[in-house]
Amino acid sequence: GENVEQHPSTLSVQEGDSAVIKCTYSDSASNYFPWYKQELGKRPQLIIDIRSNVGEKKDQRIAVTLNKTAKHFSLHITETQPEDSAVYFCAASAGKSTFGDGTTLTVKP
Amino acid sequence: NAGVTQTPKFQVLKTGQSMTLQCAQDMNHNSMYWYRQDPGMGLRLIYYSASEGTTDKGEVPNGYNVSRLNKREFSLRLESAAPSQTSVYFCASSAGTGAGEQYFGPGTRLTVT
Repeated sequence: GENVEQHPSTLSVQEGDSAVIKCTYSDSASNYFPWYKQELGKRPQLIIDIRSNVGEKKDQRIAVTLNKTAKHFSLHITETQPEDSAVYFCAASAGKSTFGDGTTLTVKP
Repeated sequence: NAGVTQTPKFQVLKTGQSMTLQCAQDMNHNSMYWYRQDPGMGLRLIYYSASEGTTDKGEVPNGYNVSRLNKREFSLRLESAAPSQTSVYFCASSAGTGAGEQYFGPGTRLTVT
């Protein structure tokens, strides 16, 4: 089955800095790669996703890149703000989704 | 639209007791999922239903059963609860399996003593 590895497990940045979270996957059939944000005590919510026919996607301060050859994809958050503090999960899907273990991002004011 | 709803929000069980977690969605989605979330381990798929009338095992199905009651409702049953099933359980739905956003319910925090 699919295996998704996510790094780092924790990330601390100063407000205004950039944050990068990386994921690798094993199943070359995976064709959909979403990123979810989960605030403390809340449900996960989609923040951005990318399909396998696209190499990069941006939405304001958030971007995702995908390297299908290397089987890895990354989340980039620029100009981080304290409200970006949360747990971020990547996932890879070839039908059903397999999630990474999450990255706890802390943005220090 | 309520989106995805789950009941109960909290539950404490003794080892060996049974219970059913309820999930409903009002978005006319075809696919529904049950996940468990343990500290440091992300979301692990227990069971999913690609469409009404079908269910399939996910990554961690042992100790659980599911029922897709109709297109809106997907329940998760613990027949004989064990301490290892202490977790937060999330139900989710999507328009279809594969490439599409999953919408999550608020979660059920279950403790088995």
